Amino acid sequence: QQQVKQSPQSLIVQKGGISIINCAYENTAFDYFPWYQQFPGKGPALLIAIRPDVSEKKEGRFTISFNKSAKQFSLHIMDSQPGDSATYFCAATSTDSWGKFQFGAGTQVVVTP
Amino acid sequence: DTAVSQTPKYLVTQMGNDKSIKCEQNLGHDTMYWYKQDSKKFLKIMFSYNNKELIINETVPNRFSPKSPDKAHLNLHINSLELGDSAVYFCASSRYTDLPYGYTFGSGTRLTVV
Repeated sequence: QQQVKQSPQSLIVQKGGISIINCAYENTAFDYFPWYQQFPGKGPALLIAIRPDVSEKKEGRFTISFNKSAKQFSLHIMDSQPGDSATYFCAATSTDSWGKFQFGAGTQVVVTP
Repeated sequence: DTAVSQTPKYLVTQMGNDKSIKCEQNLGHDTMYWYKQDSKKFLKIMFSYNNKELIINETVPNRFSPKSPDKAHLNLHINSLELGDSAVYFCASSRYTDLPYGYTFGSGTRLTVV
C-alpha cells in the first residue's frame, strides 16, 4: 500500500496564482521529506526538502509547510509561472533506510498564461 | 556532462524477449537504485546496490535481475518480458554517507512491450 498519500491528482492554476499540493504519511520513522519536480521525458529532480524539526522551509517561490503531529506536509508554489507546469512528487524516507524513498502518486500542475 | 545516464532511452520489444537497460553515473557515488514508474506515474523502488552489494530488493518478479559490475554502473536485465513490464525505468544514485541528500535520477528508459 502507498505509504505517502498525495492530493490532488491534478491542478490547473492561472499565472501568478498559488499552487498547493498536500501529502500525508503514516510511518513516524520518516525523517526526510523532499519534493521532486518532473518534466515530460525527464527524471525527477529535487526541488526542496524538509526535516521534521522545522515547520516551514522556503526557497524562492517554493515553500514546504510541515505538520508533524498531523503527519502532513504540503508544497506551496507562489506566483506560479507557465514554466512551473510539471508533475510534482512528494516523498519520504528515513535516514537509516539506505535511500529507500516512498513516493506520493504525483500531482500534474498546469499553469495557464 | 550527464551525471546519471541510462541507455537506451527508448526500448520497444516483443513479449517473451530478454532485454537489458544500462546505467552509469560519474558523480563518484557508491549507491545506485532502480525505480519503476508505471503508466499512472507512480514511482516505486525496485533495487539498490551499495559498492556492488545488493542492499534493497523489493518484491519484484525474479525475471528482473540487477547487476552491478562496479560502483559506477548498475544494469537491469529483464527476462521473458510481459506486457505489464511496460513502464519508465529510472536509475538513481547517491553517496551513502550523504543520504538522504544528493539523490540524483537519470532521465529514464521507456520500455514498451508489444
